Amino acid sequence: DSGVTQTPKHLITATGQRVTLRCSPRSGDLSVYWYQQSLDQGLQFLIQYYNGEERAKGNILERFSAQQFPDLHSELNLSSLELGDSALYFCASSEARGELFFGEGSRLTVL
Amino acid sequence: AQTVTQSQPEMSVQEAETVTLSCTYDTSESDYYLFWYKQPPSRQMILVIRQEAYKQQNATENRFSVNFQKAAKSFSLKISDSQLGDAAMYFCAPTTFGGATNKLIFGTGTLLAVQP
Repeated sequence: DSGVTQTPKHLITATGQRVTLRCSPRSGDLSVYWYQQSLDQGLQFLIQYYNGEERAKGNILERFSAQQFPDLHSELNLSSLELGDSALYFCASSEARGELFFGEGSRLTVL
Repeated sequence: AQTVTQSQPEMSVQEAETVTLSCTYDTSESDYYLFWYKQPPSRQMILVIRQEAYKQQNATENRFSVNFQKAAKSFSLKISDSQLGDAAMYFCAPTTFGGATNKLIFGTGTLLAVQP
């Protein structure tokens, strides 16, 4: 158990819809990262938050947005969903330096 | 920008044998860490081993060890006495520091099969 909690574990929705993925980091970790893993692909970095502020941005689509709340949990919002958005979305947290601890992922299926 | 290359999409090893997975990276940073993560069929991302770039000594973690060649920007993973449970996708990932950014850039992965 990494200590990072992601909900929901599975989500099935239709094209054009909007979903929200939630992440609770390990206790004490200020940084939260979001990654996308499409089928049989590597992990693509989307965005990082540190103590409530956006700190780094990767290949995140404009239809996607994220935020980190005062209690340090984070949400990733995906809107106007397309078939190609179907993927496993990982959240990870870390201390200032060191390894990332990953949640179990949220599997999104867009039909 | 950092880039990571894992040139072996798939590898196979016999149980109890040794296998080496290769990784090269490109970075302009001087302060960084390197990681190997494994992703078994459960899809959970599990840290295997980490190496601090400022350390000359190669990291070792039980049956897992690395060969870190900083000048060559090479970071290979050696798995000794391979076990069936080692079968997974393995990702190499360097990271950098600065302004509390600690993001990892992952390679495309090497799928390791372990034959009984």
